[in-house]
Amino acid sequence: DTAVSQTPKYLVTQMGNDKSIKCEQNLGHDTMYWYKQDSKKFLKIMFSYNNKELIINETVPNRFSPKSPDKAHLNLHINSLELGDSAVYFCASSQDKGAVHLGGQFFGPGTRLTVL
Amino acid sequence: AQTVTQSQPEMSVQEAETVTLSCTYDTSESDYYLFWYKQPPSRQMILVIRQEAYKQQNATENRFSVNFQKAAKSFSLKISDSQLGDAAMYFCAYRGGATNKLIFGTGTLLAVQP
Repeated sequence: DTAVSQTPKYLVTQMGNDKSIKCEQNLGHDTMYWYKQDSKKFLKIMFSYNNKELIINETVPNRFSPKSPDKAHLNLHINSLELGDSAVYFCASSQDKGAVHLGGQFFGPGTRLTVL
Repeated sequence: AQTVTQSQPEMSVQEAETVTLSCTYDTSESDYYLFWYKQPPSRQMILVIRQEAYKQQNATENRFSVNFQKAAKSFSLKISDSQLGDAAMYFCAYRGGATNKLIFGTGTLLAVQP
């Protein structure tokens, strides 16, 4: 019973292709995130959704489009993949009801994307 | 803007010994949260410990404890009785009270020598 799951775990594709990564959490959390970890292990927020509403949208190329069909799912679609998109993408979730931050963020296993 | 700095790219400790990983941060917010995450070779990000800025008492989780110095904006992680399974990349992270996003440091790679 995985708390935050991502599919696929590995994704190898050609430049110019369009691909999607899916994320699901069964923790009942109301907020979900996408982070990117580059080749130097640096982690940076990309997007955040709270109850299906986009609340954080960092400076990310518009080739990246998140979509949250419900508060348990957050998908990431990437158009026209480029070499520089190669990274590990992590989904995370947390419970952030009101002003009380009840816990840290829980991460999925990551998706290693390789663009050739 | 908030920043998180981990000045030790790599650290090494003998099994059963104690090691301290350093983290400093910069913020003008009064309400925030600090975290340490562990990333073993499996790449899974594991929450190790968290600290609310309004709490003066340092957080502890079994062999893991923090030294939170709010005035100095310092948040170090102490690992006692180090075990081989503690070998991993450790990330310090900041989260402001008004925003949900985590701001990460660059990480410290911890090696545990048998």
